[in-house]
Amino acid sequence: AQSVTQLGSHVSVSEGALVLLRCNYSSSVPPYLFWYVQYPNQGLQLLLKYTSAATLVKGINGFEAEFKKSETSFHLTKPSAHMSDAAEYFCAVTRSGGSYIPTFGRGTSLIVHP
Amino acid sequence: GAGVSQSPSNKVTEKGKDVELRCDPISGHTALYWYRQSLGQGLEFLIYFQGNSAPDKSGLPSDRFSAERTGGSVSTLTIQRTQQEDSAVYLCASSLAGQGAPNEKLFFGSGTQLSVL
Repeated sequence: AQSVTQLGSHVSVSEGALVLLRCNYSSSVPPYLFWYVQYPNQGLQLLLKYTSAATLVKGINGFEAEFKKSETSFHLTKPSAHMSDAAEYFCAVTRSGGSYIPTFGRGTSLIVHP
Repeated sequence: GAGVSQSPSNKVTEKGKDVELRCDPISGHTALYWYRQSLGQGLEFLIYFQGNSAPDKSGLPSDRFSAERTGGSVSTLTIQRTQQEDSAVYLCASSLAGQGAPNEKLFFGSGTQLSVL
């Protein structure tokens, strides 16, 4: 079975501060990992994905994530938060040779204060 | 179309009534997924289509839920005898290949907000 755990249902930061959203995965085989973002009243859209080509993955809007096998983590970061980053963020996992249907975490709501 | 389209965007119904939710995937996408999003619960997988077949319907919560896909395109999710616990946002997503391509991204619609009174 595969699963992801997102620590913290809400994260609050000031504009310009570092953003760190945590995701830990569980998978018996090397996983594929994804971060999706959902803006209010919209569907989810892909921010970035890890497919084993490189452990540090850069995505859209200045976000990046690092795959750490030893920690089973795939945390999402952005050096400087912008008001427009306020949204719900979801981590997801699939794996080769097994379930190709993405399993999503519960989501983390990012709140950005001026 | 340019993206995944879902209708209606909002649906209010009375307990016990049947509802149908529609999803138009991106043209040419063979894989189609239904998820349910409840407050604080994240995305719950319901059913997956590859073409018109549903090789994985393990997430359907009860026999009141059913779905079909026709012509390898439009999909309809039907909930019979709705209950208050069915209230949620129902999201549809599509992808180009699906099975055999676990690293491809999903394209999501904006969802249908279902409220059962």
